[in-house]
This record gives sequence, structure tokens and C-alpha cells, in this order.
Amino acid sequence: AQTVTQSQPEMSVQEAETVTLSCTYDTSESDYYLFWYKQPPSRQMILVIRQEAYKQQNATENRFSVNFQKAAKSFSLKISDSQLGDAAMYFCAYRRSNDYKLSFGAGTTVTVRA
Amino acid sequence: GAVVSQHPSWVICKSGTSVKIECRSLDFQATTMFWYRQFPKQSLMLMATSNEGSKATYEQGVEKDKFLINHASLTLSTLTVTSAHPEDSSFYICSALSLAEAYEQYFGPGTRLTVT
Repeated sequence: AQTVTQSQPEMSVQEAETVTLSCTYDTSESDYYLFWYKQPPSRQMILVIRQEAYKQQNATENRFSVNFQKAAKSFSLKISDSQLGDAAMYFCAYRRSNDYKLSFGAGTTVTVRA
Repeated sequence: GAVVSQHPSWVICKSGTSVKIECRSLDFQATTMFWYRQFPKQSLMLMATSNEGSKATYEQGVEKDKFLINHASLTLSTLTVTSAHPEDSSFYICSALSLAEAYEQYFGPGTRLTVT
């Protein structure tokens, strides 16, 4: 079974600063997908960024970027120029390429200080 | 983007009664939907995979007779919590798989169930 580990239960960042959330995963697959989801207080899950394992280039979406280290099975999320609206719980997720089920990490709560 | 709705958003029911939660894909067809359960400040736990026109596949440890899932159309899946007990109180989230969007899962806004 695949496991996703987020070792930081909580992170705090000053507005306009940068914060990095860590995620490691365990798999024997070579082809898979990794995701970061944001869950704000409304509890609506929002896809932040997606990475295909076969792509070496790190995915970016505006202020959000990842550092994907396949050999190390690491998938960290960097939030640049943090904004108050970034305050949320962030989940790292994994799925195999031939299976649509997602495995989620425990989540990291991000607090943004004004 | 694809939109998924859930109804109701919040429900309170008495112990021993049953409650039904609906999950609808509003602007796309979804042959596969997923049901998750989430406790406060915890992660999402997959309960079952709902497939249109066939029986749901339940994750290990999930009672299929307690959590009845029906996926009768390409846009609607329902989760019925039967003989609810206070320990069933939780936040239930559904997601729908969009084949047109690279098999992306789109999540509903969730349903808060409180059993008294």
C-alpha cells in the first residue's frame, strides 16, 4: 500500500514571505501522480498543483511550485509571496497511474500572519 | 472547471434513523465517484468507490451495510448512512472523476452530519 507522509502538522508564515511544506511518499511504482490540495475553512478541496512522475520538470502554478525528487520520493510545496487567503490545510496526495484512488497525507495547517 | 455539488450541506438526525447524502456532477458525466470521511483536523479517509450501474467497492473496515452507496446515473451518487449513531457524526466529502479532465477528481463541498 502506498503511504504519504507529511511531517509538519502546522506551519506559520509572515505575509509576503515564503513557506515550504514537505511531503514524502512510499511506492514501488514508477509511474504515478502527485498532488497538493488546499482545504480552506470552507472545507472545499481545491487542487493546487499536480505532478506527473515521468516529468522531470517541477510543476508550477503562479505562486505555488513543487520540488519533486523522484529518487528520494519527496514532493515539497513552496508557497511564495504568501497571502492571507493561503491560510488553509494542505494535503499531499498520491495515485498510481492505473488507479484513480487518491492516498492523502495527514495534512499541514498553514497560518499566515499579517 | 468541473463542478460537484452535495446536498445537504449540513444535516442533524436522531440516533437510529437513516440519512441520505447526494453527490452530483453538474457539468460533466462521472462514471466513477468517491466517498470520503473526514474528522476534524484530520485527513480524508476513502470509504468507497462508486461506479455507475454497478456495486460500490468499499475500503477495508468500512461497513457496506451501514453505508449504502447507489450510483444510478452518470451524474448522481448517493450515500445513505443507515441506523446512524453518534459515532457516525463526521464530515462526508464526495468527488467525481472527470475523464475529460485527465481523470482529475473534483470534490464536492462536503456534508456535515451530526447524529444526536
